[in-house]
Amino acid sequence: NAGVMQNPRHLVRRRGQEARLRCSPMKGHSHVYWYRQLPEEGLKFMVYLQKENIIDESGMPKERFSAEFPKEGPSILRIQQVVRGDSAAYFCASSPAGQSYGYTFGSGTRLTVV
Amino acid sequence: EDQVTQSPEALRLQEGESSSLNCSYTVSGLRGLFWYRQDPGKGPEFLFTLYSAGEEKEKERLKATLTKKESFLHITAPKPEDSATYLCAVQAEDTGRRALTFGSGTRLQVQP
Repeated sequence: NAGVMQNPRHLVRRRGQEARLRCSPMKGHSHVYWYRQLPEEGLKFMVYLQKENIIDESGMPKERFSAEFPKEGPSILRIQQVVRGDSAAYFCASSPAGQSYGYTFGSGTRLTVV
Repeated sequence: EDQVTQSPEALRLQEGESSSLNCSYTVSGLRGLFWYRQDPGKGPEFLFTLYSAGEEKEKERLKATLTKKESFLHITAPKPEDSATYLCAVQAEDTGRRALTFGSGTRLQVQP
């Protein structure tokens, strides 16, 4: 019973490149959430998706960041033209449909922008 | 705006020395309060959900309680393997919003 799978675990990008982070939710979970954890800061909500729908993107930066959860395949968080301030740990979580439950988090992708 | 404040920021205990971690919150209608444990380099691990004031939940050496303004995570006779960062988060009642607002965490170190 695999948990939430994120890849890659570590990603290094040069300033100006694109970063693509992938997340496969737990089996049976149809809701996906992305959070960002900056060094020495708490987890901050970015976006909440269901299959083919963005439900809440109130935490997403207005520019350069986008997310999708296609009908088939993993959820993708995409960061275009990365800057040093994007260096952080990005966590994906999933939950089943219905009322709120404790999310299950993945192990995260640590993005370093050089 | 929903807010979560955790204290202390860091706590060092001797093995067997019981203590409590505090989570104070303000939220526009509480749907749930969550406790997670996070080990270095890993994602948060779900511990408890509390829904209403007066509710308590236990798991091994951990017990979480909830009032209308705060939650406590009581650690009884801790062991070194309990060392981790403990995170508190709230979810508002706002229909459709599932975002969790996290506190900055309490870093717990239990020394043998």
